[in-house]
Amino acid sequence: EVQLVESGGGLVQPGGSLRLSCTASGFTFSSYTMNWVRQAPGKGLEWVSYISSSSSTIFYADSVRGRFTISRDNAKNSLFLEMNSLRAGDTAVYFCARSSLRGSYYFDYWGLGVLVTVSS
Amino acid sequence: QSALTQSVSVSGSPGQSITISCTGTSSDVGGYDYVSWYQQHPGKAPKLMIFDVSNRPSGVSNRFSGSKSGNTASLTISGLQAEDEADYYCSSYSRRSILVFGGGTKLTVL
Repeated sequence: EVQLVESGGGLVQPGGSLRLSCTASGFTFSSYTMNWVRQAPGKGLEWVSYISSSSSTIFYADSVRGRFTISRDNAKNSLFLEMNSLRAGDTAVYFCARSSLRGSYYFDYWGLGVLVTVSS
Repeated sequence: QSALTQSVSVSGSPGQSITISCTGTSSDVGGYDYVSWYQQHPGKAPKLMIFDVSNRPSGVSNRFSGSKSGNTASLTISGLQAEDEADYYCSSYSRRSILVFGGGTKLTVL
């Protein structure tokens, strides 16, 4: 069974940093492109970042480029999101999502999400 | 403001059909067949319902169908059931932004 479990969320002050992790199981993690998608409270979904299976291709949304860094450790079946210079607008549930092997631009499995709150 | 435009809400009675639209531009919806649709129940993770405009993943009911015309994609749900009540989001590959979502449509089953 495919499982994606996010961790590392919490309360952080504006300007602070946080590192999210996503631990994968039930599939060959190293074969799949992975993504982070976030959802502000009561709002819609926003794609955040994309990393290819070998980490050779990385994309970011304009809203986080230069502040967030996506990475992965295929040996540990783990995906990461390093978030710096956090702002109130970054407050959201962050989902780890797997791209399908048939196409990178849709997500066939999602984690349950982890809440990041940026507030003083 | 979301890159793709969806109506805020739609409603229908059990057994009826409803259609949710998703309007973009030639840089996203209109330019590529990479439109997907997700269903999200409150407090839950999104679930993929349609990919590549009109394809259903294994396990998704054939009551769900997708289409596209020009810059507008559509999700149709036929034979509405109570469990279909949820938020629905479209997304598309975007030449400018890689991937964009719509603002979401709240479906109410009356």
